[in-house]
Amino acid sequence: AQSVAQPEDQVNVAEGNPLTVKCTYSVSGNPYLFWYVQYPNRGLQFLLKYITGDNLVKGSYGFEAEFNKSQTSFHLKKPSALVSDSALYFCAVRRGTSGTYKYIFGTGTRLKVLA
Amino acid sequence: DVKVTQSSRYLVKRTGEKVFLECVQDMDHENMFWYRQDPGLGLRLIYFSYDVKMKEKGDIPEGYSVSREKKERFSLILESASTNQTSMYLCASSQQGEQFFGPGTRLTVL
Repeated sequence: AQSVAQPEDQVNVAEGNPLTVKCTYSVSGNPYLFWYVQYPNRGLQFLLKYITGDNLVKGSYGFEAEFNKSQTSFHLKKPSALVSDSALYFCAVRRGTSGTYKYIFGTGTRLKVLA
Repeated sequence: DVKVTQSSRYLVKRTGEKVFLECVQDMDHENMFWYRQDPGLGLRLIYFSYDVKMKEKGDIPEGYSVSREKKERFSLILESASTNQTSMYLCASSQQGEQFFGPGTRLTVL
C-alpha cells in the first residue's frame, strides 16, 4: 500500500540550531514528494517539492529537503531554526496516473523552536 | 498568486442539517480536492475532481457528496450532518504539481 510516515509527532529545537523533520514514503514508481507548512488557524502552504533531478531541493523560508531513494526518505531540513518556524509540517506524496492523481499526506509533525 | 477561497471560516450546525461548503479557485486549475483534518490523523481525502462534472471518491467519502458545475468551484455537501463530522475542512486545487490550499472551514456539528 502506498503511504507516507512522519515518525515524530513533535520536534523541539533551540533557536539557531539546525532542524530536521523526518518523512519516509512507500510508493510504486518514481515519487513526487512535497512538504507543506501550516500556521495556526491557516490552510497549508507549499514549501518545496521533489519531482526529479538533484536530490537536495531548496524551498521557501530557507528550508531544504533531501531525497534519498535507497532509504525512501524525504527529510525536511533547515540550517538555523527561527522561532517563527514553529508550526505544523506535513509531508505528502502524489499517487495515481496523469489526470486522476491524488495525494497522500503524513500525519504531521509539530515543530517547536525554543527561544 | 493562486487564490483558493472557502465560503466560511467557522460554521456551527445541528445534527441532521444539510451543510454546504464552497470552494473557489482563480487559477483555472483542472484538479480540486476536499480534505478533512483531524488531530493525529493528518489530512484525509474526501473527494476530488479532475474536470467539470467529474468526481472521484477519496479515502473517506461516506456521508459526503460533491458538486463541480463550473471549473473554478467545488462544493462539499454533508447531506445530514452528524457529530463525527465535526472537523476542519480544507479545499485545494492543483495543476499536476503542488496543491494550493484555502484557509479552511472549521465545522462544528452539535
